Amino acid sequence: DTAVSQTPKYLVTQMGNDKSIKCEQNLGHDTMYWYKQDSKKFLKIMFSYNNKELIINETVPNRFSPKSPDKAHLNLHINSLELGDSAVYFCASSQRPETDRYGYTFGSGTRLTVV
Amino acid sequence: QQPVQSPQAVILREGEDAVINCSSSKALYSVHWYRQKHGEAPVFLMILLKGGEQKGHDKISASFNEKKQQSSLYLTASQLSYSGTYFCGTGLHGSSNTGKLIFGQGTTLQVKP
Repeated sequence: DTAVSQTPKYLVTQMGNDKSIKCEQNLGHDTMYWYKQDSKKFLKIMFSYNNKELIINETVPNRFSPKSPDKAHLNLHINSLELGDSAVYFCASSQRPETDRYGYTFGSGTRLTVV
Repeated sequence: QQPVQSPQAVILREGEDAVINCSSSKALYSVHWYRQKHGEAPVFLMILLKGGEQKGHDKISASFNEKKQQSSLYLTASQLSYSGTYFCGTGLHGSSNTGKLIFGQGTTLQVKP
């Protein structure tokens, strides 16, 4: 029944490692997003895909690479993890952004801790 | 570019009312409101589009003044379940086809018995 599911929920890893976060939505939405929420709860957009096409790519280090194999999935791969990457990463999806009449549905988040 | 929310935090007793404001320096196309409880994902409350509309959702309503680039969220007769952090997310003109939202810093609301 989960609308937007992310895995894993918690991720603890050492500096320099490479890790991936997976996201899947079963709402039939065309657009998916990655947001980063820091320790001060600030939500900042990182990437967005619309039907497998990258449409938003904010100023994010090249170590972060999104991939969307189909419109229901959006994964985030992070290379050479740094301490500053520690945050909660939220996947979200929305329907018909052209009309902007529907809100985001967020996943439950992945708490990444880099040690 | 980030909208500014006020107040940063508010403490209420059950049954009291609260207003949370969201102001942007950019022309807005839309304003979204979300509530996030501790350790959980933000949950969508409502959207307001340009045109100065007002919406209601049970005892939670909101207004959008396009000219002032401001939105306000009104919580009346607050309940314990209203506790959480409220975020406004602004859609700027030109971003309507991407769905990009820029979120405010959040307002923490605590409702006490």
